[in-house]
Amino acid sequence: GAVVSQHPSRVICKSGTSVKIECRSLDFQATTMFWYRQFPKKSLMLMATSNEGSKATYEQGVEKDKFLINHASLTLSTLTVTSAHPEDSSFYICSARGLAGDIDTQYFGPGTRLTVL
Amino acid sequence: AQSVTQLDSQVPVFEEAPVELRCNYSSSVSVYLFWYVQYPNQGLQLLLKYLSGSTLVESINGFEAEFNKSQTSFHLRKPSVHISDTAEYFCAILYGKLTFGQGTILTVHP
Repeated sequence: GAVVSQHPSRVICKSGTSVKIECRSLDFQATTMFWYRQFPKKSLMLMATSNEGSKATYEQGVEKDKFLINHASLTLSTLTVTSAHPEDSSFYICSARGLAGDIDTQYFGPGTRLTVL
Repeated sequence: AQSVTQLDSQVPVFEEAPVELRCNYSSSVSVYLFWYVQYPNQGLQLLLKYLSGSTLVESINGFEAEFNKSQTSFHLRKPSVHISDTAEYFCAILYGKLTFGQGTILTVHP
C-alpha cells in the first residue's frame, strides 16, 4: 500500500524557535496533503489542507502565520511551527491523497511528537 | 457541522472474547464512514469504510461494522480478538474533510 513518512519523529525545541516537519509520499504522487494535530486523549483535529503548488487552506482557529505549510512538490509537504511556545507541544500527523486516489482515501504518516520547552 | 462520538475511551478484553467499539455520529448530510486503527508508533491505517450499498462492511482481519442510519451509528465488532488487535481505533466521517472521534484504546489481555 501507499506509504507516507514524516521527519523527524520526535523533536524538542526551545520556546521562540521554529521547527520544520516534513511529510513525504514515498511511492505515489500526492496532489493533496492534510495536516492534523492530536492532543492527548483527544481526536485528530484537521489544521489545514494543502494542494500542490497552491496556498494551504486553514481550518477556523488555526493561525496561518504560525503554522506555515508548503506543498512545493507532489511528494513533499512541510509544516513549520514558527516562534514555538509550550502550548504548541503536540502530536502532528500528516496524510496524503494521491493523483488517482479516491476522494475518500487518505494515507497517514506516523506522526511527529513536538515538545517545546 | 459534523461530529463523531466514541463512547468508550478504553476497552480491555481477554483474548478470544468478542468486542464492540461504539461510534455515533451527527450530521445533517450524508457522509462516508470509516474506522482507522493506529498501532503503537505507527500511522493510522484504514480498517474499513462504508460509502454506500450493504450496510455491513468487513475488514480482512475479521472486524466488521454496520452502518445504522436511524441510530446514526457505525459500531465496530469482532467476534474473537487476538493479542495483536491491541491498538487505538478511531471512527471518522467524511464530508469534505475527515472528522474523527476521540479514539478507543483496545487492550487485549492473554
